[in-house]
Amino acid sequence: EAQVTQNPRYLITVTGKKLTVTCSQNMNHEYMSWYRQDPGLGLRQIYYSMNVEVTDKGDVPEGYKVSRKEKRNFPLILESPSPNQTSLYFCASRTSGPDTQYFGPGTRLTVL
Amino acid sequence: GNSVTQMEGPVTLSEEAFLTINCTYTATGYPSLFWYVQYPGEGLQLLLKATKADDKGSNKGFEATYRKETTSFHLEKGSVQVSDSAVYFCALTKNYGQNFVFGPGTRLSVLP
Repeated sequence: EAQVTQNPRYLITVTGKKLTVTCSQNMNHEYMSWYRQDPGLGLRQIYYSMNVEVTDKGDVPEGYKVSRKEKRNFPLILESPSPNQTSLYFCASRTSGPDTQYFGPGTRLTVL
Repeated sequence: GNSVTQMEGPVTLSEEAFLTINCTYTATGYPSLFWYVQYPGEGLQLLLKATKADDKGSNKGFEATYRKETTSFHLEKGSVQVSDSAVYFCALTKNYGQNFVFGPGTRLSVLP
C-alpha cells in the first residue's frame, strides 16, 4: 500500500530537549516536505527536499532542521524545541512536477 | 508572493443542502490549483485539482472550476452528506511544486 508514515503520532516534551520526528514514504517520490498546521493559519511549509541531499527552506524554517540521506526518509529535527513550536506536523511526498501530494497522518507535538 | 484566501467557516449545513466554499488566489502566471480534504484525526487527501484556466476538477460529487479572470477556484457540491464533514483546504503551487501554498481551511459540518 502506498503511504507516508510518521512517528511518533503524539509527543509531549519540554523546552530545549532535542527531538526528531521521522517520515518515510514507499512510493519512490523525489519530493518531500514538512508542514505545520496551526488554527487559522492553514498549513505552512517548513522545509522541502527535491531529492537526496537536496533540501531548501520553506516559509517557516526557523528552529527546524532536516536531512535527506535516503530517498524514502526525511526526518524533521528540533534541536532546541520551544513552546511556539507546539503544533500539528505533516510530512508529504510527491513526484516531480506540480502534482498531487500524499500526506502522512500527522504528529501532534506539545512543547511545555 | 503567492497566497490563497478562503472562507474560514465553520460552515454548518443540513444533509442534502448545496455547498459552496469560496477560494481566491494571488499568484503570477499560471499556478496549479487544488482542493484537499482533512477528515478528523487524519492527514490531508487530494479531493480534486485543475492545472490550467477553465479546467474543471471533479471527484466524489465535488467540483471546482479554475477561473483565471476572477482568480478563483470555488468548491461546490450539489447535495452534501454527513460523511462530508471535514476541513477543506484550497491550495496552489507553481514552479513545479517546490512550494505549495495553502489557505487557512474551512470546517464543514453536515447535520442529519
